[in-house]
Amino acid sequence: DGGITQSPKYLFRKEGQNVTLSCEQNLNHDAMYWYRQDPGQGLRLIYYSQIVNDFQKGDIAEGYSVSREKKESFPLTVTSAQKNPTAFYLCASRPIAGGQETQYFGPGTRLLVL
Amino acid sequence: GENVEQHPSTLSVQEGDSAVIKCTYSDSASNYFPWYKQELGKGPQLIIDIRSNVGEKKDQRIAVTLNKTAKHFSLHITETQPEDSAVYFCAASIGAGTALIFGKGTTLSVSS
Repeated sequence: DGGITQSPKYLFRKEGQNVTLSCEQNLNHDAMYWYRQDPGQGLRLIYYSQIVNDFQKGDIAEGYSVSREKKESFPLTVTSAQKNPTAFYLCASRPIAGGQETQYFGPGTRLLVL
Repeated sequence: GENVEQHPSTLSVQEGDSAVIKCTYSDSASNYFPWYKQELGKGPQLIIDIRSNVGEKKDQRIAVTLNKTAKHFSLHITETQPEDSAVYFCAASIGAGTALIFGKGTTLSVSS
């Protein structure tokens, strides 16, 4: 898990509620990513950011929002528009310098709907 | 866009046997292929990766082979041990900061 922390480990969401998942890294990595993992589905990209104050949608961005105000932080908000939010959410980061491609993952947050 | 297929979805072996997991990709521009190991309830950990200018890479009991012509790459684990039991994911990207596209994973079970 290196220097990537995700909190909380478990999160419960009530109907119609927005919830925010935290991702912090102290690796001085430029790029950060959010993935959603469902059983048997692999990892699917929600959003990613390669620089502060800039981010791009991934394959399944609907119902989610992000911000990148600081290099070390990339919080993900699961909005009420996301009708099936139950999943395991993984944050990752990657250094850009030197053309490095390796992504390093955090320990994940499991989101459950009450 | 890129699509990555991974097989098999489950694999059971006896301790000491070899295990092979195969992935195919669709975008011939893909040039980076990592493999991740994920234990239950944890985030994926990189175990080995290969770039398109290399055909094979080894790290102790783990090796990855790449066939660019056929657009497939494989993970080989020799002398498997119970602690190798986990879910393994392959991925591909076209590099230059693009996102990784993951296969759906292989659950490897090593019985002693």
